[in-house]
Amino acid sequence: DGGITQSPKYLFRKEGQNVTLSCEQNLNHDAMYWYRQDPGQGLRLIYYSQIVNDFQKGDIAEGYSVSREKKESFPLTVTSAQKNPTAFYLCASSVQQGDGYTFGSGTRLTVV
Amino acid sequence: QQQVKQSPQSLIVQKGGISIINCAYENTAFDYFPWYQQFPGKGPALLIAIRPDVSEKKEGRFTISFNKSAKQFSLHIMDSQPGDSATYFCAASTKAAGNKLTFGGGTRVLVKP
Repeated sequence: DGGITQSPKYLFRKEGQNVTLSCEQNLNHDAMYWYRQDPGQGLRLIYYSQIVNDFQKGDIAEGYSVSREKKESFPLTVTSAQKNPTAFYLCASSVQQGDGYTFGSGTRLTVV
Repeated sequence: QQQVKQSPQSLIVQKGGISIINCAYENTAFDYFPWYQQFPGKGPALLIAIRPDVSEKKEGRFTISFNKSAKQFSLHIMDSQPGDSATYFCAASTKAAGNKLTFGGGTRVLVKP
């Protein structure tokens, strides 16, 4: 079955540590997105990529980095510069830059 | 600046009742308005979507009503069931901005049996 796989499901980060969240899709979608979800604030766009080897900042990109070396993969790194990283992170993909996103099951990141 | 405002934040409805969630937007260039349903610990799933050339779209018990002049759209869940208990998000996008979705703040719906 086609879909988006996010791993790990739960992730714990120590202060000053970089962590990388994985997102893989086998839907042959061109566009991929990373959103952050906090209680009561909906989903906020971190980064997005419309084609391989190209990506753009979203509304809250500070403290995050991404890469898009393969069409299927769009990993997100939460750097030590992100001062409040505890959140639920969602990866999504779509055909042609939008219209009916398919979301992964998310990664819950907690700072310990 | 929040471009899509969603209300209410939470909603309790009896089984068989109607759940109504409202969204208002500011950007008149928005041309695609989806609704997503999210269960705890899961990613959102596309429920139903509408474009501004129609005023209403119905899929089963779910209906979107769209008012272009008022820049508002709403989701109606008819005959609400306990299995509908979830968080619902409205969203909007425009081709001019690369079809990136801007989400509302979400509404937590609880359907009591």
